[in-house]
Amino acid sequence: TQLLEQSPQFLSIQEGENLTVYCNSSSVFSSLQWYRQEPGEGPVLLVTVVTGGEVKKLKRLTFQFGDARKDSSLHITAAQTGDTGLYLCAGVNTNAGKSTFGDGTTLTVKP
Amino acid sequence: GAVVSQHPSRVICKSGTSVKIECRSLDFQATTMFWYRQFPKQSLMLMATSNEGSKATYEQGVEKDKFLINHASLTLSTLTVTSAHPEDSSFYICSARGGTARRNGYTFGSGTRLTVV
Repeated sequence: TQLLEQSPQFLSIQEGENLTVYCNSSSVFSSLQWYRQEPGEGPVLLVTVVTGGEVKKLKRLTFQFGDARKDSSLHITAAQTGDTGLYLCAGVNTNAGKSTFGDGTTLTVKP
Repeated sequence: GAVVSQHPSRVICKSGTSVKIECRSLDFQATTMFWYRQFPKQSLMLMATSNEGSKATYEQGVEKDKFLINHASLTLSTLTVTSAHPEDSSFYICSARGGTARRNGYTFGSGTRLTVV
C-alpha cells in the first residue's frame, strides 16, 4: 500500500505570510498532483509534476517534486484570504491506474 | 477541458432506502471512474474503481453489496447506496480518468452530500 503523509494537517496564518505544505512518501510515484478543494465542492487540479526535481510555478504558488519522486512541496507566497481551502496531494501510480491521496492540509488565511 | 458532472449535489433520504448518485463525463470518454468518500476536513478515501463494461474493483473494507457501482457506458458511472443508514451520511465524490485528463490528472465531480435520517 502506498501512503502519502501530508503536513501540516492544519495551518492558520495571516494574509501576506508565506507557507509551505509538504507531501512525503516512501514510495516512488509516476507523477504527483496537487489539488485545492473548497467546502462542498470537488477537488480542483492545480498542477501535475512528473520529472524528479521539477519545479512549477502558478502565480504565487510554487510546486516542487523531489529528485527521487517520493515527495513534493507546495509553497505559497504572500497568502491571500482566497487561498483558504483544503490542499490535497495525490501520488499517481500509472501501473496501478489510481491515485493515492495525502491526508490533506486545511489552510485558513485570515485577513 | 474535461468536465465531470455529478448529481445530485445534495440528497436527504430515510434509513433503509436506497440512493443513486450519477457521475457523467461530459466531453470525454471515461474508461475508468473512481468513487471516493470524504468526511469533514479529511482527505478522500477511495471506495472503488469503476471500469466500463466490467465489475468494479472495491477497496478493502468497502461492502460491494452496500455500495453498488454500475459503469454501463463510457460516460456514465452510478453509485447506489443500498439500505442506507445514518452512518452512510457523507460526502461522495467521483472522478474520471480518460481523454486529455488521462495523463495529467483526474477530473472530479462536484460531489454529493448524502444525509440519511
